[in-house]
Amino acid sequence: DAGVIQSPRHEVTEMGQEVTLRCKPISGHNSLFWYRQTMMRGLELLIYFNNNVPIDDSGMPEDRFSAKMPNASFSTLKIQPSEPRDSAVYFCASSLRYGNSEAFFGQGTRLTVV
Amino acid sequence: AQSVTQPDIHITVSEGASLELRCNYSYGATPYLFWYVQSPGQGLQLLLKYFSGDTLVQGIKGFEAEFKRSQSSFNLRKPSVHWSEAAEYFCAVGNSGGYQKVTFGTGTKLQVIP
Repeated sequence: DAGVIQSPRHEVTEMGQEVTLRCKPISGHNSLFWYRQTMMRGLELLIYFNNNVPIDDSGMPEDRFSAKMPNASFSTLKIQPSEPRDSAVYFCASSLRYGNSEAFFGQGTRLTVV
Repeated sequence: AQSVTQPDIHITVSEGASLELRCNYSYGATPYLFWYVQSPGQGLQLLLKYFSGDTLVQGIKGFEAEFKRSQSSFNLRKPSVHWSEAAEYFCAVGNSGGYQKVTFGTGTKLQVIP
């Protein structure tokens, strides 16, 4: 398996623009996580899906952020409108099952909002 | 709420020296514990995990960690460090009930001097 695939790897956008980050989890995994990593706040869980259903979105910082998982092989994280303080590395991770299994991380999307 | 503290932000060791990275957690029940490593520009890779059983856990690349309930600790150790292991190391705690919400520590950046 190719692992968790995220696109794009790098994104530079202007403030106010819409940004969409994409994630393809490992085939057969039914849990998917979106994390944000910054120097100031470290690694933060934004939202968690189980069987394509959002279970916990308490980490989503504002209404400008939204995430979807239309099927088991694809998820998006959208920021609209984007702001400079959204600049961070966004990671997607997936795990095999609900419960005690490790999360496999993608290589991340480095977002810069200017 | 669960939490993780990694008291050392940055550690420098000489190549071939032993390593111990500290991790303290807060969780009401028996936790699930993880150590991940992040190389520059990469996602996180699992080194080892503890769910139950033997409190000394062996992981990949010669790493081990010991779960000490009385001290709420899960320190990572390696007898001899290689220069290629310079990276950032994250301790994480997952809740053992319900879905697995994993909380990460702020990380310890390891520098290895040749």
